[in-house]
Formats: sequence, C-alpha cells, structure tokens
Amino acid sequence: SQQGEEDPQALSIQEGENATMNCSYKTSINNLQWYRQNSGRGLVHLILIRSNEREKHSGRLRVTLDTSKKSSSLLITASRAADTASYFCATARYNNNDMRFGAGTRLTVKP
Amino acid sequence: DAGVIQSPRHEVTEMGQEVTLRCKPISGHDYLFWYRQTMMRGLELLIYFNNNVPIDDSGMPEDRFSAKMPNASFSTLKIQPSEPRDSAVYFCASRSRVREKLFFGSGTQLSVL
Repeated sequence: SQQGEEDPQALSIQEGENATMNCSYKTSINNLQWYRQNSGRGLVHLILIRSNEREKHSGRLRVTLDTSKKSSSLLITASRAADTASYFCATARYNNNDMRFGAGTRLTVKP
Repeated sequence: DAGVIQSPRHEVTEMGQEVTLRCKPISGHDYLFWYRQTMMRGLELLIYFNNNVPIDDSGMPEDRFSAKMPNASFSTLKIQPSEPRDSAVYFCASRSRVREKLFFGSGTQLSVL
C-alpha cells in the first residue's frame, strides 16, 4: 500500500516560477526521500531528509519535514522546462528497506 | 558503472503465457527491490532481497508471481500464467548497505493481451 500522498496531483507553471509539492504520510519514519521520474524512465533520487532534520537544500531544491504533521514539502526554485516530470515522495520506516512511494505530482513547466 | 540494467525494455505477451523479467543491480549493492507501477495503484513494492536472500515478499500479489536472486548480479521476476491485469511497468532498484537512496533501472513495460 502507498505510504505517502502527494499534493497536488498535477501542477502547471511558467518557466522561472517556483514549484511547491507536498507530501503527507501515515506512520513514523526514519527518513523521507524525493524522487523524480521523466516520462518512460526510471525514478531518480533527488534528496533525502532524515526524521531529525527540518530543512535541507540541494541546488534549486529545498525540502522541509514536519514530523508532528507527518508532512514534507519540495520546493523547486526558478523552474525550467527541463524540470517537467513527475515527483514522488518515499518514506522508509525503521529498517530503511520498506520504502513506500506516493502517487506523485505531475509537474509541467511551460517555456 | 552502467547503473541498474533491466531486460527486456518492452514485453508483449498473451494471457496465460509465462513472463520473465530480468535485472542486474549495481555492482556492490546489497539490496535489490522489485516495484510495479500502474496508473491505478502507483508504485508498489513487490519484494526485496538482501544479500540474495528474499526478505519481504508480502507485496507479491499472487502465487503466480515469483522472484529469485541466484547471485549478487542477477535477479528475475516471473509471472506464470500472466493475466491482462498484470500489465504495468516493472522496475528493479538496488542500493548499498550504507546509503539509503535507491537506484532504479529503466523498467520493463509489460503488456498482457
């Protein structure tokens, strides 16, 4: 069963704008990861945030984690057309192996 | 490293036929995962291995599905007999013991007619 749920399901923005995607999950976690999937391809890892962290940055990506609300957000700043893809959150429980993915947010960045 | 390699890239078969999907994980990775992706159910974890041993197969939908990992560099997912509802993209992923992030293959698009 899916663990995380992304919101919104689809997001369409103009190039240069910021994109924010949210993820909610149900159980306690060890870490939360964000992945990206281009059409017809496998998922690619973007960033990992541990349960004892609240915010993390990587290039144009910013991830926040609120364990009290069981939620996370992914912010992509200054978006580009090449950012068009589906974005998934994944949560790992105590053993780090039972990794469950949400349904994903489909991001479209218009040039 | 070539990454996780899956074959075939596409598979079209008829209902009732046996289907075998193959995966070569990244060398040195201790964990191998099989996922299935559909529009209706998203990404589902089917089974994962640690050091070639199946650890959790609770996601395998039915007895028609079986997975093996005879050595550290090869795994198969077999469906026998296949049914139209098995149509999906099947992904293999691997990771090392010390890093939590998964590396995915390009997937096998399975169509059962």
